[in-house]
Amino acid sequence: QKEVEQNSGPLSVPEGAIASLNCTYSDRGSQSFFWYRQYSGKSPELIMSIYSNGDKEDGRFTAQLNKASQYVSLLIRDSQPSDSATYLCAVTDSNYQLIWGAGTKLIIKP
Amino acid sequence: ETGVTQTPRHLVMGMTNKKSLKCEQHLGHNAMYWYKQSAKKPLELMFVYNFKEQTENNSVPSRFSPECPNSSHLFLHLHTLQPEDSALYLCASSQTGTTGGANVLTFGAGSRLTVL
Repeated sequence: QKEVEQNSGPLSVPEGAIASLNCTYSDRGSQSFFWYRQYSGKSPELIMSIYSNGDKEDGRFTAQLNKASQYVSLLIRDSQPSDSATYLCAVTDSNYQLIWGAGTKLIIKP
Repeated sequence: ETGVTQTPRHLVMGMTNKKSLKCEQHLGHNAMYWYKQSAKKPLELMFVYNFKEQTENNSVPSRFSPECPNSSHLFLHLHTLQPEDSALYLCASSQTGTTGGANVLTFGAGSRLTVL
C-alpha cells in the first residue's frame, strides 16, 4: 500500500516564527511532490511543487526534498495568522498517480 | 466564471433520494476528477476523466455514477446513498491526467453532502 504520512497536528507556532511541516512517503519511484493549503471550509490550493532534491524557495515558503530519506518538508518563515490552515502533502507514485497525506493542521498564534 | 465551479455547495438527502453534483471548469484543462474528503482522512480519488473518457474508477460503489459529457463538465449522480457517504466531494481539473507537472490540480469549492 503506497502511503504518504503527515503528523495530523495541530502544530502551534508563534507569529513570526518558522513553521516546519513534514511528510514522508513510501514509494521510492515517486517523482513529483506537492504542498497544498486548505483553509477551513475551503478547497485545497497549490502553494509549492518540487521535483528534484534540495530546496525550492518561493517568498516565505521553502520546500525541501530528500529522495534518499523519502521525505519532503515545507518551511514557512515569518509565520502569519493567515497561514493557519491544514497543509496537505501529495506525491506522485511510480505510475504518476497522486497519493495524498491526511494533512497537518497549523495554527499560528498572534 | 473562472476556475472550477461546483454546485450545489451543500446538499442534504435521504437514503432513497436521487441527486446530482455538477462541476464545470473554465481553465481549458483536459482532465477532471472527483475526490471524496472525509475528516482527518487523505483525499480519496473516486473517478478520473481524460478528454472526457473515464480512465480511473477506484472501486467506487455503484451508487455513485459519474458522467462527463465534455472536457469542461463533470457530474456525479447519487442514488441510494448511505450515511457513511456524508463527506465533502471535491471536483478538480488539470492539464492532463498523467505525467509530472500535469498533476497540478485546481479544485472547486466542494459540495458538502449529508446523507440522513
